[in-house]
Amino acid sequence: GDQVEQSPSALSLHEGTGSALRCNFTTTMRAVQWFRKNSRGSLINLFYLASGTKENGRLKSAFDSKERYSTLHIRDAQLEDSGTYFCAADSGYNKLTFGKGTVLLVSP
Amino acid sequence: EAAVTQSPRSKVAVTGGKVTLSCHQTNNHDYMYWYRQDTGHGLRLIHYSYVADSTEKGDIPDGYKASRPSQENFSLILELASLSQTAVYFCAIRDRSAETLYFGSGTRLTVL
Repeated sequence: GDQVEQSPSALSLHEGTGSALRCNFTTTMRAVQWFRKNSRGSLINLFYLASGTKENGRLKSAFDSKERYSTLHIRDAQLEDSGTYFCAADSGYNKLTFGKGTVLLVSP
Repeated sequence: EAAVTQSPRSKVAVTGGKVTLSCHQTNNHDYMYWYRQDTGHGLRLIHYSYVADSTEKGDIPDGYKASRPSQENFSLILELASLSQTAVYFCAIRDRSAETLYFGSGTRLTVL
């Protein structure tokens, strides 16, 4: 099976609301990285975590290697947050394994 | 910030034809990667390289070759393009001492 299971696959939010995305790992991972694919198709770095939590504006991410999961919280969602979000797990072999992505649609 | 340039931006190829996708970086990073993205599959690793003149197989290397002739350049080669290779291809770089992966803007390949 997949090493990285990402959920939900799709998410709809109204402006100003928030939610969380989650990635579960089937094995112990060294670190996790979160990306957003924008409307132009570019992959934008959001976070890299080897442990603990990081926050940047309205986004906050957590990674628990022992419990084998990572989360990405979005608060006060804005229209420009729409896109596809990916987590990617670093097993320590110099390559990342990606989740299948969460398609986020923020509507007025 | 990393600078990763992919070319072409998009390409239409015929089945059985040869396709070369190019990636150029200006950061002198050691690691370079080729991923493909298909709807519903996330990104999957095709080939990668950690030093010039050497390449490694990723998770889905069949039907692809890679070439790293210099530190700055990493190519993905489809000798006999097939319909199933229609996808968006991303090049990425990573420094040996760093952690974050930086992506190019992608190449949309359509095989007819």
